[in-house]
Amino acid sequence: GEDVEQSLFLSVREGDSSVINCTYTDSSSTYLYWYKQEPGAGLQLLTYIFSNMDMKQDQRLTVLLNKKDKHLSLRIADTQTGDSAIYFCAEFYGGATNKLIFGTGTLLAVQP
Amino acid sequence: DVKVTQSSRYLVKRTGEKVFLECVQDMDHENMFWYRQDPGLGLRLIYFSYDVKMKEKGDIPEGYSVSREKKERFSLILESASTNQTSMYLCASTAYGTEAFFGQGTRLTVV
Repeated sequence: GEDVEQSLFLSVREGDSSVINCTYTDSSSTYLYWYKQEPGAGLQLLTYIFSNMDMKQDQRLTVLLNKKDKHLSLRIADTQTGDSAIYFCAEFYGGATNKLIFGTGTLLAVQP
Repeated sequence: DVKVTQSSRYLVKRTGEKVFLECVQDMDHENMFWYRQDPGLGLRLIYFSYDVKMKEKGDIPEGYSVSREKKERFSLILESASTNQTSMYLCASTAYGTEAFFGQGTRLTVV
């Protein structure tokens, strides 16, 4: 079945770039997402990419998709303390049934 | 303002009770999902539905059932609550491949 994996923790210094990685097992996903969850808050969509794209850039965020290796990454440039949160990658599988699967989440800690 | 509304923010139930968690969306979305969120485990999919009266098992359906009698409402049922079902429950809805909108979550404690 489908599986989405992320490393649990990443620590960076303020001003550095952060790269959060995600690997998945099923290549039939149609859309891939990055969500952010701040402490005590709900999930907020950051960005998404269609499975036929390789890259998407949105201000400080860059999403890279390597379909061959089934690897998705989120790069945050000039990381700020306000970026400290849990980041989830998610995949949407279209078709007969529409399934949305989330990864385990990566806790990003930004040190001042 | 789009909305996914879960019926309760906090719930405390006794072991063995039947528990109903309700979710309502006002966006006419076809797809609705129930997840539970536990530290270090991310969001795990319990059940989902892509149409009225249709339901599919997710990754951890044991001990749960669902009902979708109307497009806007998706209910999660714990047939006989157990302490290992203490968790944060999140409902989400989406149209095909678009942003998923989440409810505020229900923190369920089973004692």
